[in-house]
Amino acid sequence: NAGVTQTPKFQVLKTGQSMTLQCAQDMNHEYMSWYRQDPGMGLRLIHYSVGAGITDQGEVPNGYNVSRSTTEDFPLRLLSAAPSQTSVYFCASSYGPGQYGYTFGSGTRLTVV
Amino acid sequence: AQKITQTQPGMFVQEKEAVTLDCTYDTSDPSYGLFWYKQPSSGEMIFLIYQGSYDQQNATEGRYSLNFQKARKSANLVISASQLGDSAMYFCAMRPNTNAGKSTFGDGTTLTVKP
Repeated sequence: NAGVTQTPKFQVLKTGQSMTLQCAQDMNHEYMSWYRQDPGMGLRLIHYSVGAGITDQGEVPNGYNVSRSTTEDFPLRLLSAAPSQTSVYFCASSYGPGQYGYTFGSGTRLTVV
Repeated sequence: AQKITQTQPGMFVQEKEAVTLDCTYDTSDPSYGLFWYKQPSSGEMIFLIYQGSYDQQNATEGRYSLNFQKARKSANLVISASQLGDSAMYFCAMRPNTNAGKSTFGDGTTLTVKP
């Protein structure tokens, strides 16, 4: 099925470990974004990309890196995990501005101990 | 900077009745889109409805309609004939048309539909 695929669905990390959250879409969307959702709150933008090779910071970028070498893939790297990064992470993609809403991945629930 | 405010943390509605979820926004962008998303208890995010800042008519999608009042900077979601399956968290979001990767979300409203 077409859509946004995120892996893994669940992850437990120890403080200081690094890891990469994977995100891939097969809809040829130019725009991709990473959000985090903390309990009882809305989504906050971490990083986003407007096309292959182009990325920019969102509202809460510290401790995270991204790259966009292809249109399809937009991985999120946690450099040195901290308990404050415990959250649910969503990857989203969009065809463009205007009436095109986001298509979201199913999310990654990350716990840092 | 953009800001979305959803002032109703929780709402209750009787099955088959209509309900309005409030959303106000603030932005300096002249051209933008307003969106509503649904997040059921299973956790996925589902796009419901879109309203463009220059649209003259309110958007409708089935039982969902968006009550857009640009001068008041409000974009309320109206759900008609509520169903038990409408119980979920609802998020209002705004996105500038100059950058489709950069949406701002509100904190959400939890809607509970009572039988």
